[in-house]
Amino acid sequence: ETGVTQSPTHLIKTRGQQVTLRCSSQSGHNTVSWYQQALGQGPQFIFQYYREEENGRGNFPPRFSGLQFPNYSSELNVNALELDDSALYLCASSLSASGRLYNEQFFGPGTRLTVL
Amino acid sequence: SQQGEEDPQALSIQEGENATMNCSYKTSINNLQWYRQNSGRGLVHLILIRSNEREKHSGRLRVTLDTSKKSSSLLITASRAADTASYFCATANQAGTALIFGKGTTLSVSS
Repeated sequence: ETGVTQSPTHLIKTRGQQVTLRCSSQSGHNTVSWYQQALGQGPQFIFQYYREEENGRGNFPPRFSGLQFPNYSSELNVNALELDDSALYLCASSLSASGRLYNEQFFGPGTRLTVL
Repeated sequence: SQQGEEDPQALSIQEGENATMNCSYKTSINNLQWYRQNSGRGLVHLILIRSNEREKHSGRLRVTLDTSKKSSSLLITASRAADTASYFCATANQAGTALIFGKGTTLSVSS
């Protein structure tokens, strides 16, 4: 088991609401990435934070936003939820130079978000 | 677009048999990683193989990398029921800031 934790485990929201998901990185890791995984698919990259700044973004709209804190914990915020946002949200931490992923990423257990 | 594509999509074997999964990718890489996911839970890192390596072992796992063919394979020897999971290969995007995953191979090991 890795030291990456996520909360909550499960979450049910209705369309149009806003949600905040939280991640605590493994100790000593300076980079956190968030992924969305729809049922039956591989994880899709949302964005990466390196030293508290966004350092890369996938093909997701601006209503997906994030924060990384000085202790390297992180949040994923999603505004104006849509039905298609229902998915498993994974965060992953790693130790990197300049945010480049030359080493393995350690994933948390995920948050299962259901949008009704 | 997906960088890595796993093959086959699904694989069913008996305990004790070997399981081989393949991964193809499109662009040059620094490294390739394999992950396991049990039933909708988080991903567990299995092996990272760098572009200058051809083969790597970890317990019952053997990974090969052929950069000329842009492909990799994961071999699980003497499989167990506990190996039942989805397996993903992943490579970094061009900027090196994100892992790009395929759809995975679902492995079922029956006793």
